[in-house]
Amino acid sequence: QKEVEQNSGPLSVPEGAIASLNCTYSDRGSQSFFWYRQYSGKSPELIMFIYSNGDKEDGRFTAQLNKASQYVSLLIRDSQPSDSATYLCAVNVGAAGNKLTFGGGTRVLVKP
Amino acid sequence: GAGVSQSPSNKVTEKGKDVELRCDPISGHTALYWYRQSLGQGLEFLIYFQGNSAPDKSGLPSDRFSAERTGGSVSTLTIQRTQQEDSAVYLCASSFGGETQYFGPGTRLLVL
Repeated sequence: QKEVEQNSGPLSVPEGAIASLNCTYSDRGSQSFFWYRQYSGKSPELIMFIYSNGDKEDGRFTAQLNKASQYVSLLIRDSQPSDSATYLCAVNVGAAGNKLTFGGGTRVLVKP
Repeated sequence: GAGVSQSPSNKVTEKGKDVELRCDPISGHTALYWYRQSLGQGLEFLIYFQGNSAPDKSGLPSDRFSAERTGGSVSTLTIQRTQQEDSAVYLCASSFGGETQYFGPGTRLLVL
């Protein structure tokens, strides 16, 4: 079992709709969670981080964390074609140095 | 301010040659990370620096890989006797004390 799992997609959503991305992790000691967006041929760009159970909103993005169920999700409201990218879930399991363990990413395609 | 920079942006080398990849972190960031992203493997941790020391080298795939950091700033990742399986995008990230890591543009390495 991979430490951080994501559905590879592609997740196809119409413009203006909500895109819902899920990520599960195996280590119950995981302390913090990150969502990165990666356009094709580019490096990962931080979108959000979340440490506590519940929801965290930033503009059109909402991160949701449920430590009991070991999942973290990302909602993208009013999806735009420019949101088409691969979204990477990353987990800090609390190891020294805060190294991140990444999921394989979910490819999102927003259709006009 | 300036972000993380990496050089070269692209590197083509012949099998068996040595290569050096450079990372210049965000000014003032004390922690520096190297990751590798290859097709089918996702994004994997290689090594972490705090200042000039490397407390976690657990992700280095073999003894052909080494890295150093000088002056608490620039880091160099060296791959000796390159193999075709070393072909990947090598990403550097930095953070200031905390956990949020910011990535550079990466170096795309192709070993022929």
